[in-house]
Amino acid sequence: QVQLQESGPGLVKPSETLSLTCAVSGYSISSGYYWGWIRQPPGKGLEWIGSIYHSGSTYYNPSLKSRVTISVDTSKNQFSLKLSSVTAADTAVYYCARDLSTSNPIWGQGTMVTVSS
Amino acid sequence: QSVLTQPPSASGTPGQRVTISCSGSSSNIGSNYVYWYQQLPGTAPKLLIYRNNQRPSGVPDRFSGSKSGTSASLAISGLRSEDEADYYCAAWDDSLSGYYVFGTGTKVTVL
Repeated sequence: QVQLQESGPGLVKPSETLSLTCAVSGYSISSGYYWGWIRQPPGKGLEWIGSIYHSGSTYYNPSLKSRVTISVDTSKNQFSLKLSSVTAADTAVYYCARDLSTSNPIWGQGTMVTVSS
Repeated sequence: QSVLTQPPSASGTPGQRVTISCSGSSSNIGSNYVYWYQQLPGTAPKLLIYRNNQRPSGVPDRFSGSKSGTSASLAISGLRSEDEADYYCAAWDDSLSGYYVFGTGTKVTVL
């Protein structure tokens, strides 16, 4: 079955860049679908960060667009998130997911990222 | 920053029917499909409804979705203790360059 697994540092210093990777198993990213990132600050709601198609076209949340880059590496069957100039407000559980606009979106288990010095 | 507004909480006793509203605009709910997610504590969201009123396989028919104009709603009938969770609506928004937006979320409590 298709599985997604987030990985990356659990602690990032303020003003630095948060970098996460989502490894996909059971499905080839190059076969299709949009692949995206969503985050959830502790005790708060879900926030969509952005998504990328296997061809590389991207969509970003307008409120984060200036700081976000999502890329795909089809050779490693994974996609990545970079969020620059982080502050404490970027502390959240970060989820990767396959295509939220389908009848069968697949979510990773999520990874907690804390921004603190 | 969410443009989809939900009531912060809803509650009911076992067996009752609970309805959650989701209010948007012409650029999101008014022109695109609505999705509903259930999130249990400490877990990733689970899709309950897609394309306004369709249930993925495995989702009980106690859950139903509807949409009218720029608003949508999720109904839970025959409320059960395991339905106690957070619920989020979501939709694509055509404004700016297009983006996906989640609702503010509703905590459902089973009394």
